[in-house]
Amino acid sequence: QSVLTQPPSASGTPGQTVTLSCSGSRSNIGSNHVYWYQQLPGTAPKLLIYRNNQRPSGVPDRFSGSKSGTSASLAISGLRSEDEAEYYCATWDVSLSGVFGGGTKLTVL
Amino acid sequence: QVQLVQSGAEVKKPGASVKVSCQASGYTFSDYYLDWVRQAPGQGLEWMGWINPNSGATKYAQKFQGRVTMTWDTSISTAYMELSRLRSDDTAVYYCARDSSASYEILAESFQYWGQGSLVTVSS
Repeated sequence: QSVLTQPPSASGTPGQTVTLSCSGSRSNIGSNHVYWYQQLPGTAPKLLIYRNNQRPSGVPDRFSGSKSGTSASLAISGLRSEDEAEYYCATWDVSLSGVFGGGTKLTVL
Repeated sequence: QVQLVQSGAEVKKPGASVKVSCQASGYTFSDYYLDWVRQAPGQGLEWMGWINPNSGATKYAQKFQGRVTMTWDTSISTAYMELSRLRSDDTAVYYCARDSSASYEILAESFQYWGQGSLVTVSS
């Protein structure tokens, strides 16, 4: 049982916009920034979004993050086949421990 | 460029200990937090703890308190994660990840660069 709640699966067709959700509480998302990681099959995760809505260098602007209260979301516009991956949200709780969501497996139909 | 190279796969018996290494290059090792994250087969990511090589501080997830020890050797830019009293549900890929937060910051932040992962299998 993960501390942050993510839907286990999501899907979309090429070119579509999909939004992935992440729900927490006041002691984690409500108190800290949210981060998003993308994990392609068989590879290490990759930082996609930091501090709620910032993209590291090299991450396409098709990926955008937002946070409101105790929830966060990741939007992927212009969906592409290579976006098919597992997406994890993460944050820190008030005890300074890292917490992850259970992950959302995104399928591009 | 930042690189984290981890030690190879290990097979351990229940009750044993395992020590995974993570050698960093491309940056000054003591300048950033370093985190450990694991992933059981077919499961999600689980944060285990972080080290601050500059201050000497460590922070472990409560779940692993008493079983995990994170150490480092700045002279060879290498971090270690030792997990003791292994159980079958400790079977996982263990990742080290360099944090985006500099070591003079109060808090760790995001896992910016990742090692390739080290598979630890616990089986009798």
